[in-house]
Amino acid sequence: DAGVIQSPRHEVTEMGQEVTLRCKPISGHNSLFWYRQTMMRGLELLIYFNNNVPIDDSGMPEDRFSAKMPNASFSTLKIQPSEPRDSAVYFCASSFWLSYEQYFGPGTRLTVT
Amino acid sequence: LAKTTQPISMDSYEGQEVNITCSHNNIATNDYITWYQQFPSQGPRFIIQGYKTKVTNEVASLFIPADRKSSTLSLPRVSLSDTAVYYCLVGPDLGGGATNKLIFGTGTLLAVQP
Repeated sequence: DAGVIQSPRHEVTEMGQEVTLRCKPISGHNSLFWYRQTMMRGLELLIYFNNNVPIDDSGMPEDRFSAKMPNASFSTLKIQPSEPRDSAVYFCASSFWLSYEQYFGPGTRLTVT
Repeated sequence: LAKTTQPISMDSYEGQEVNITCSHNNIATNDYITWYQQFPSQGPRFIIQGYKTKVTNEVASLFIPADRKSSTLSLPRVSLSDTAVYYCLVGPDLGGGATNKLIFGTGTLLAVQP
């Protein structure tokens, strides 16, 4: 298996622009997680899905952030409008049945100028 | 949400056993303890998970005392490739949906030398 796939790997954008991060989970996994990692705040769980349904979005920082999972093989995390404080590495992870035994993707490094 | 405390860094030599302890004094009854490893520029990798007593898999052991206020990750015979940041995460069953802003701790940077 190719593992969790994230795109793009790097994104540089200007403040106010919309940013869309993409994730393809491991085939057969039915849970998907979005995380954000910064030096200041560490690694935070933003939102997670089970069978394409959002289960907990308590980690989503603001209404500017939204996530969707239209099918079992694709999810997006959107930031609109983006701000410099959103600069971070965003990880997507997948697992079987809401397990902490998650497989992480390589991450998307987002820089908002 | 249970806050975790780990040493910021540890040093070891190849072939030694390494024990990394995590304190989580306010762990809840329904919380699990999970350890991850992270290399630079990569996502975390699951190592082991436990609830109480001892758990062992092919790469590590996890020791949890009866009061569950701490846990110790044991890595047998480390090698240079074990140099990484190790995170202890305490959190509830994800099926309950009440993670209330699950955040990994600061982690422990393990440096293994020849």
